[in-house]
Amino acid sequence: GQSLEQPSEVTAVEGAIVQINCTYQTSGFYGLSWYQQHDGGAPTFLSYNGLDGLEETGRFSSFLSRSDSYGYLLLQELQMKDSASYFCAVPRGFQKLVFGTGTRLLVSP
Amino acid sequence: DSGVTQTPKHLITATGQRVTLRCSPRSGDLSVYWYQQSLDQGLQFLIQYYNGEERAKGNILERFSAQQFPDLHSELNLSSLELGDSALYFCASADTDRGTDTQYFGPGTRLTVL
Repeated sequence: GQSLEQPSEVTAVEGAIVQINCTYQTSGFYGLSWYQQHDGGAPTFLSYNGLDGLEETGRFSSFLSRSDSYGYLLLQELQMKDSASYFCAVPRGFQKLVFGTGTRLLVSP
Repeated sequence: DSGVTQTPKHLITATGQRVTLRCSPRSGDLSVYWYQQSLDQGLQFLIQYYNGEERAKGNILERFSAQQFPDLHSELNLSSLELGDSALYFCASADTDRGTDTQYFGPGTRLTVL
């Protein structure tokens, strides 16, 4: 089977840095994706790690360690608009996505 | 705007009824995916179509069916609806021919079964 575990909720203040972790157990592994979803909205793609290491896209970075079956999403210079749910996901056969449990990020002033 | 469109945005219906959700993928994307999101189950993959053919099946109930048409739009049919079918249904598309891992999600259809 496949499972991806994330913390259910993380809180932080504007301007801070927050890290959202994801640990996974999958049979076969192609990479780790991250999606952002605002309440009532659609998931939107943030980043993908196919190889170990850090991928940086503006204020967001994502890290993968295959040997540890672990990845994280790092959000810097937090803004109120970053309050949302964040999902890690792994592509499985024909690239359908299996999503993690999701982490709700609350950014306060 | 992801380029993926879904209709209707909201749907309210009664138990036992049948509904059809519609999705138009991004221009050029051959793959269409359907996901269900409910409060207690998170985002669950239902089914994938590629260029008109079913490619992968997830936790899709027998009461649910889908198809992808020659113009690449897709429909998800839900029948004999139950209260537990109330959820957000998302369609996503991807350009899988390029080997990309990115899926683009539509705005979703919120289904409420009363």
